[in-house]
Amino acid sequence: EAEVAQSPRYKITEKSQAVAFWCDPISGHATLYWYRQILGQGPELLVQFQDESVVDDSQLPKDRFSAERLKGVDSTLKIQPAELGDSAMYLCASSPSWDTQYFGPGTRLTVL
Amino acid sequence: AQKVTQAQTEISVVEKEDVTLDCVYETRDTTYYLFWYKQPPSGELVFLIRRNSFDEQNEISGRYSWNFQKSTSSFNFTITASQVVDSAVYFCALGSGNTGKLIFGQGTTLQVKP
Repeated sequence: EAEVAQSPRYKITEKSQAVAFWCDPISGHATLYWYRQILGQGPELLVQFQDESVVDDSQLPKDRFSAERLKGVDSTLKIQPAELGDSAMYLCASSPSWDTQYFGPGTRLTVL
Repeated sequence: AQKVTQAQTEISVVEKEDVTLDCVYETRDTTYYLFWYKQPPSGELVFLIRRNSFDEQNEISGRYSWNFQKSTSSFNFTITASQVVDSAVYFCALGSGNTGKLIFGQGTTLQVKP
């Protein structure tokens, strides 16, 4: 069964460093989402792509976060510089259309 | 504004008990979707069910059943004869019919004791 792949699974970094997360969606899924999940809370959407175009990045802290999906397939989410409050689980999801989203295993980020 | 409320933060039951997880939502959309996801300790969100706003038929899948009531804006999830493997955090989510964006509730932690 096809799955959403994410790497790394765990990342520990120091404050002010740059970090990057990678996501490979299920083949053929045009829509890709990045969510942030703070411990004890539900996931919150950071950015949504339709193919290579950004559909919604209203909740993305653009002063330090960036996301790209250059060829409309895999995607990278970057944080520069990382802050203590960025410690969270970063989840990637993909969908064949605007309905069911399938999630990857997530990247657990710890900022020291 | 769109909102999902899961009032139960934590539930603890003994194995074989039935348990119901509550979900109440708010939306002005006429077309929307409702979801339940399971998040085990490993962290991955596992899709359980999707309902669209035009389908109020209740659904049963093995030990799982879902009750969708538009009149009360609720989408409750019942596990019958709970098992230890059901222990996880369960999230209810509301999906926009226009963009697919999901709004999640805060989650309910279910602990099933042997």
